[in-house]
Amino acid sequence: EDKVVQSPLSLVVHEGDTVTLNCSYEVTNFRSLLWYKQEKKAPTFLFMLTSSGIEKKSGRLSSILDKKELFSILNITATQTGDSAVYLCAVANAGGTSYGKLTFGQGTILTVHP
Amino acid sequence: EAQVTQNPRYLITVTGKKLTVTCSQNMNHEYMSWYRQDPGLGLRQIYYSMNVEVTDKGDVPEGYKVSRKEKRNFPLILESPSPNQTSLYFCASSWVSTGELFFGEGSRLTVL
Repeated sequence: EDKVVQSPLSLVVHEGDTVTLNCSYEVTNFRSLLWYKQEKKAPTFLFMLTSSGIEKKSGRLSSILDKKELFSILNITATQTGDSAVYLCAVANAGGTSYGKLTFGQGTILTVHP
Repeated sequence: EAQVTQNPRYLITVTGKKLTVTCSQNMNHEYMSWYRQDPGLGLRQIYYSMNVEVTDKGDVPEGYKVSRKEKRNFPLILESPSPNQTSLYFCASSWVSTGELFFGEGSRLTVL
């Protein structure tokens, strides 16, 4: 059974802090890992990672994948109150009878105080 | 505007009364899927569809049915809802199963 585990489950920081969110996975046929941000409504896409060691960046957010150790991290530098959200990690399965399955982690709740 | 539209957004119903949550996308995506979100459990995949007339079970398919007769629509059917199906439901679509998902706004369902 595919499994995705995120840590920590919740995190409280102050504006300006840097945070690192973790996502580890066990998937039979890994194809891609995706990060989403969820505020009060639907998740919105942040990054898709398919190759090890290649950092993806968007402003203050960055992410990297390690396919050997089966994990990914999402970094947010100089946090702002608008970064407060649930961050979701998901892994796509692209093999055999599980082709098309997408497994999400439990999410990390990030709270940024002014 | 590119979007995924779900209806209804909110629904309170009673045990055993069949209901359908509709989902429609206007991006010509091949892949569509349904998720439920419960506190502490993240998003769990219910069913997914790789293309018209092709559907597969996700991790929590019990008590749900789906159909994909047209590319744009992927309704979720609860034949006999039970209280443990009270949840927030999301429909999503993408070009391919392994890429960026576009989510609907969510449907909050309460079964009494």
